[in-house]
Amino acid sequence: GAGVSQSPSNKVTEKGKDVELRCDPISGHTALYWYRQRLGQGLEFLIYFQGNSAPDKSGLPSDRFSAERTGESVSTLTIQRTQQEDSAVYLCASSWTSEAFFGQGTRLTVV
Amino acid sequence: AQKVTQAQTEISVVEKEDVTLDCVYETRDTTYYLFWYKQPPSGELVFLIRRNSFDEQNEISGRYSWNFQKSTSSFNFTITASQVVDSAVYFCALRFGNEKLTFGTGTRLTIIP
Repeated sequence: GAGVSQSPSNKVTEKGKDVELRCDPISGHTALYWYRQRLGQGLEFLIYFQGNSAPDKSGLPSDRFSAERTGESVSTLTIQRTQQEDSAVYLCASSWTSEAFFGQGTRLTVV
Repeated sequence: AQKVTQAQTEISVVEKEDVTLDCVYETRDTTYYLFWYKQPPSGELVFLIRRNSFDEQNEISGRYSWNFQKSTSSFNFTITASQVVDSAVYFCALRFGNEKLTFGTGTRLTIIP
């Protein structure tokens, strides 16, 4: 596809369950970001992948959060033992040299 | 370290008024990019503009204009003759080299009909 694709678009899960969020970046984009956005809030950086470099994980809020990326393609963000405070929109973006383009996001609701 | 400051948390103006959104940045690098993004109520983040640190020319696109001033480390965004469709949260961002994008906290703009 032409843009960044995220799935699912919505996810409702029970507290304590694990969830996986998927991001398909724009083809050829070497950089990939994950952000979290709580309702009415700004963008909270989670993790950044750049080519074959070690990812910048400095934004991951706890060890329940992890992310992987296969080469320069798909990325998955995994949240283990979800908590209610994990409820938010999770945004993925990809970039080549400068500006990043965002997906539509995954709205995660933990009940 | 990089930092982007958007001091205006919320702004409300009456339709057709002009409005300027402020963005101040900090970076030790001489080569960097600056960006503005728009997030309308639908939630999708839309890229508006990129500016290279070597290009201080102001840019105009329709009712939108951007003023880049390296001397004051500012990259301000002006909407002329605002419209209700301009209501959104606007984010300023900074990136250098292969480092990650750094976003400001955003300015929520409300245009009152």
